[in-house]
Amino acid sequence: EAGVTQSPTHLIKTRGQQATLRCSPISGHTSVYWYQQALGLGLQFLLWYDEGEERNRGNFPPRFSGRQFPNYSSELNVNALELEDSALYLCASSPGARDEKLFFGSGTQLSVL
Amino acid sequence: KQEVTQIPAALSVPEGENLVLNCSFTDSAIYNLQWFRQDPGKGLTSLLLIQSSQREQTSGRLNASLDKSSGRSTLYIAASQPGDSATYLCAVYTGGYQKVTFGIGTKLQVIP
Repeated sequence: EAGVTQSPTHLIKTRGQQATLRCSPISGHTSVYWYQQALGLGLQFLLWYDEGEERNRGNFPPRFSGRQFPNYSSELNVNALELEDSALYLCASSPGARDEKLFFGSGTQLSVL
Repeated sequence: KQEVTQIPAALSVPEGENLVLNCSFTDSAIYNLQWFRQDPGKGLTSLLLIQSSQREQTSGRLNASLDKSSGRSTLYIAASQPGDSATYLCAVYTGGYQKVTFGIGTKLQVIP
């Protein structure tokens, strides 16, 4: 069974550009979570999608947005990139919405120059 | 607001040593707690999940315990190996609908 897959593995952008990160959850999982892990910092919760709806978002500006598609895959968009957006972006999935075990992808390393 | 602290921040031990990693949390009303391993620049690999009704979970050389009343969890690694070198994170689930708080992690180095 395939795990959570994220693409691309690495992404290099310049300040002011837009970045799109993609995540495919484990088959059968309906919930997708996005986290930001900046160097030396803990995981910061970004967004949670379940059954195609945004259920919760962390303390990030509106230029961080996303969506979940009917096949439960998800996309994270970051507009007007800033240098401090450079981080590892991790996607996780779970079977449902209630306190279930998280399964993580390998992440997308975003570098903003 | 739930806060999760992991001590120590870094740990270096010789191969073969048994070791304990600590995780403390401020709100004892948790649903479960999960320990992860993260290799540099990589995603998180789940090690153990302890439900709030459980006291401990074991997987191979790993044993995780949970004491909700004192707000603490420990991850015990027996007979450490160089391949165990990684950052270990604990994640605490509180409330409904997947409210998860992560610790910053303990960076473990096992020296051959």
